[in-house]
Amino acid sequence: DIQMTQSPSSLSASVGDRVTITCRASQSISTYLNWYQQTPGKAPKVVIYAASTLQSGVPSRFSGSGSGTDFTLTISSLQPEDFATYYCQQSSGVRPLTFGGGTKVDIK
Amino acid sequence: EVQLLESGGALVQPGGSLRLSCAASGFTFINYAMTWVRQAPGKGLEWVSSISGSATGTYYADSVKGRFAISRDNSKSTLYLQMNSLRGEDTALYYCAKEEGQLWTYFDYWGQGTLVTVSS
Repeated sequence: DIQMTQSPSSLSASVGDRVTITCRASQSISTYLNWYQQTPGKAPKVVIYAASTLQSGVPSRFSGSGSGTDFTLTISSLQPEDFATYYCQQSSGVRPLTFGGGTKVDIK
Repeated sequence: EVQLLESGGALVQPGGSLRLSCAASGFTFINYAMTWVRQAPGKGLEWVSSISGSATGTYYADSVKGRFAISRDNSKSTLYLQMNSLRGEDTALYYCAKEEGQLWTYFDYWGQGTLVTVSS
């Protein structure tokens, strides 16, 4: 199985801050990496797919990068609606389609 | 508008069975693989099972293999998850999700979830 490790597990930030979350795969997954945002009581929502493609309707302050085993999700200027938990997920076709453990972004 | 509506969650005793359903609308159901993802209370997301559009391919997490069965009725645009030999660790909110993409796949639509509680 491919293990997905996110860091940090939580972070505190202020509105306007630049935030970076990292995700590491236990083996190369090329760019088969997705990022989801989940707010309390809601279903997850995809923000980035294929490592760096912004999902339609997602603000451009979100960006993704990386390939192989190391990936990052960056929020260039944190907004109040961005306080949430973020999950990476590998979609390389190797089952299980593992999720990372999540990174909770809360208000400093 | 794409909609996914799960149902069937309940309180069930350990060792019991339950069948979850996910009614889909707003897209051509047979054209898309579908997936169940679960989330235990206060925990992260766990992929459970996926099924191809034509139902020729089914896939399971090791934690549910042999106990759960995924299926679909394309004539009814409905996804199912038959859950047998339930354990306490199966307690979770179960989401169904639509899989988008051919090569780079991702879950673009999710239901609101249905809660399964396994307890005596």
